[in-house]
Amino acid sequence: GAVVSQHPSWVICKSGTSVKIECRSLDFQATTMFWYRQFPKQSLMLMATSNEGSKATYEQGVEKDKFLINHASLTLSTLTVTSAHPEDSSFYICSGGVNTQYFGPGTRLTVL
Amino acid sequence: QKEVEQNSGPLSVPEGAIASLNCTYSDRGSQSFFWYRQYSGKSPELIMFIYSNGDKEDGRFTAQLNKASQYVSLLIRDSQPSDSATYLCAVTQGGSEKLVFGKGTKLTVNP
Repeated sequence: GAVVSQHPSWVICKSGTSVKIECRSLDFQATTMFWYRQFPKQSLMLMATSNEGSKATYEQGVEKDKFLINHASLTLSTLTVTSAHPEDSSFYICSGGVNTQYFGPGTRLTVL
Repeated sequence: QKEVEQNSGPLSVPEGAIASLNCTYSDRGSQSFFWYRQYSGKSPELIMFIYSNGDKEDGRFTAQLNKASQYVSLLIRDSQPSDSATYLCAVTQGGSEKLVFGKGTKLTVNP
């Protein structure tokens, strides 16, 4: 199957700072990637669809100005959590693939 | 609202038994169906995918799809303690690649 990597695997930051998470497709070209968030003991929540070379498509209720997505190449999508607050602490996971979605290992964000 | 329903469980089976996980979906336009396994604190891992009606077998896993009934299931034969995890059913939304997930069924295999 396709291989998706994420970096960093975990990050701790102070409230008000911005955090960038990288999602890379290692063995395929990803015109589309997806970003999810998962709170403890809850299911995956799709945040947005990342489109290579164009604007991301955000799900209802997700603030596009807070969660900035950039997909400038066929192998890299980034999610920047701007002005992070403790309620943004969560497990952020990206996925990509051709016909089948494979997930990255996830990034655990803790905002103090 | 496109929905995917799963029994939340927990489902508990003895080691060596067959575990049966079920899922129903509301979008008749869904074309691809997936089962993911998620261990606590980890990201989901693809177990099976199925596109056509009928059964698809891969090792100890069998996925079953019935589009008329909008039903997809996963059977795990000879269950092992290492199979203990949350199993997520996912279906594509219409003709897109976007996945709609169920809330997952927590499976515990007791030694």
